[in-house]
Order: sequence, then structure tokens, then C-alpha cells
Amino acid sequence: AQKVTQAQTEISVVEKEDVTLDCVYETRDTTYYLFWYKQPPSGELVFLIRRNSFDEQNEISGRYSWNFQKSTSSFNFTITASQVVDSAVYFCALRVNNAGNMLTFGGGTRLMVKP
Amino acid sequence: EPEVTQTPSHQVTQMGQEVILRCVPISNHLYFYWYRQILGQKVEFLVSFYNNEISEKSEIFDDQFSVERPDGSNFTLKIRSTKLEDSAMYFCASSFRTSVETQYFGPGTRLLVL
Repeated sequence: AQKVTQAQTEISVVEKEDVTLDCVYETRDTTYYLFWYKQPPSGELVFLIRRNSFDEQNEISGRYSWNFQKSTSSFNFTITASQVVDSAVYFCALRVNNAGNMLTFGGGTRLMVKP
Repeated sequence: EPEVTQTPSHQVTQMGQEVILRCVPISNHLYFYWYRQILGQKVEFLVSFYNNEISEKSEIFDDQFSVERPDGSNFTLKIRSTKLEDSAMYFCASSFRTSVETQYFGPGTRLLVL
């Protein structure tokens, strides 16, 4: 069975600080996909990024960057120069190729960015 | 930009009543999903649907739940006899294909069972 762990339940930072959200996953499959979703206070789930298990290249999108390390089964998410609008719950999720279509979500990390 | 829509945004019902949650997936998507999130907890998979039939379901998706695509655009989740523990946010999602495509989520329906 697969599992996603987000050990940080809550993080509080001051605006302009950098912050890293940790995600550790477990699967025996060699083909899988990792995702990050953002859930702002309004409640919807907003897709941020998808990564497949064969692509360990790190990705940067504006202030967001992701670090995928297969050796440690981690897919961490860094926000640079955080802003108040980044305040949300962030979920890491895993989809395993041989386990159907379902996404397995981590417990989420609540990020609070204070002005 | 195309998006998944859900109605209603909020629903309050009495225990034992039937509820139908509605979703309009992105128009060219072929795979549809329901997830739920009990307040403050993680998002949990309920069911996936393709080609007018359930392709996968979780243990949560028991006999009181059913899904349907009644026409070419809507995708519904029915809970036959609601229980207090069904109170949750229900998310619909869709994807073009399965293996490599991202699931895009709707804004959710918050269901409160009294």
C-alpha cells in the first residue's frame, strides 16, 4: 500500500521568509506520480505541480520550487519570499501506476504567513 | 480556463435523508472522481468512473453511495440515507486520461448532516 506523510501539520512564517514544506512518500511501485495541491481558506483544491517517478529534475515556477529526491522518497516544496496570499493548507499526493486511479493524500500542512 | 463546477456549495440535511451532489467535469475529460474531506482531515478517495461505470472504489464507498452520469455533462454522487459521519466536504475531480493526467478538482460541496 502507498502512503504520504507530511510531518509538519502547521508552519507559521513572517512575510518574505522562505519556507519549505516536507513530503515523504512510500510505495513499492517504480512508476508513480507526485502532486502538490493548495487549499486556500475558501476550500477549493488548486493543482500546483505533477512529477513522475522518472523525472528527478527539480522545478521552479516563480516563487515556487520543488525538490524531488527518490533516494529519500521525498518531494519537498519551497516557497521563496512568502506572501500573505500563500496562507493555505498544502497537500502532497501520490498516484501509483499499478494501483488504479486514486490519489493518496498526505495529511496536509497549514501554512500561515503573517504580515 | 475550463474548470470543474459543483453544486450546491453547501447542503444541510437531516440524518436519514437522501442527498445528491452534482458536478460538471471539464468538458473533454473522460475520467471522473469523488473524494471527501472530513473537517480538518486529509482528502480521501471515494470512487472513480469511466465509460459509464465505476472503475475503482474505496472501502468508504459502501452501498449507501452511488454515482451516475445522467447526461453528457453532469456527474452525480448520491448518498441514500445520510449519517452524521457523512458530514464532510465532497470534491469532484476529472482528468482527461488516467495514468499521466492530472486530476482537476472542483470547489467542493460542504455537506452537513444534522
